[in-house]
Amino acid sequence: GAVVSQHPSRVICKSGTSVKIECRSLDFQATTMFWYRQFPKQSLMLMATSNEGSKATYEQGVEKDKFLINHASLTLSTLTVTSAHPEDSSFYICSAKRDRESTDTQYFGPGTRLTVL
Amino acid sequence: AQKVTQAQTEISVVEKEDVTLDCVYETRDTTYYLFWYKQPPSGELVFLIRRNSFDEQNEISGRYSWNFQKSTSSFNFTITASQVVDSAVYFCALSEVEWDNQGGKLIFGQGTELSVKP
Repeated sequence: GAVVSQHPSRVICKSGTSVKIECRSLDFQATTMFWYRQFPKQSLMLMATSNEGSKATYEQGVEKDKFLINHASLTLSTLTVTSAHPEDSSFYICSAKRDRESTDTQYFGPGTRLTVL
Repeated sequence: AQKVTQAQTEISVVEKEDVTLDCVYETRDTTYYLFWYKQPPSGELVFLIRRNSFDEQNEISGRYSWNFQKSTSSFNFTITASQVVDSAVYFCALSEVEWDNQGGKLIFGQGTELSVKP
C-alpha cells in the first residue's frame, strides 16, 4: 500500500499561537510531498511543494514566513502555521509522491482540521 | 495554463440511477495525467483512477467507468446504479509529467457534490 498519515487530525488554538502539522509516509519513501488547503465547499488549493533536504517551493500568494515547511526526512514533512489567525482556519491536507514511481500519483493524508479562535 | 473545469457543482439522484460527472481540462502539454478522487464527508481523499494522456482506452471498474476523449479534452466519470454510499464530493485533477520525478503538481477542478438519495 501507500499510506500517508497526518497528525493531529483536528486542532483548536487561540489566535496568535503557532500550530505544527505532521505528514508521514508510513510505508514508502517520499522525497516530494505537497501541502494543500481546502476551505469549506471549495476545492483543494496547493500551498507548497516540499522537497526533502531543500527549501519548499511556495505557490503564488502563500506567505512562506507564515507557513513554515520542513521536510527533514524521506518520510516526514511538517507544516507550521505561525501566529495563526481565524482566517487560517481551514482543512489542511498533505500528499506524498512515492520515490521511483513514475506515474505522478499523489497519496493523500486524511487531513487536519484547524480552527483558530 | 492548466485548468480543470467541473461544471456541475451539485448533482442529486435517486438510488439506482446512473449518473455522469463531467470533467474538462486544458493543458498545453502533450504528456499529462488525469485523476479522479472521491472525498466523503470524513474529508479523506480516496484515489479512484489515473489515466495518462497516451491511453484513451475507456475503463470500467465495477459500477464505475471513465470515458477519456482527447479530442474534446474531457475525462468523464459515470457511476452505474448509484448507491447512497456514493454520496461524496468528486474531484477531477490534472498533472503534467515531471520527467525528473520532481514536481508534478496536481490541478484540481472545483469538485462535484453528488447526493444519492434512498
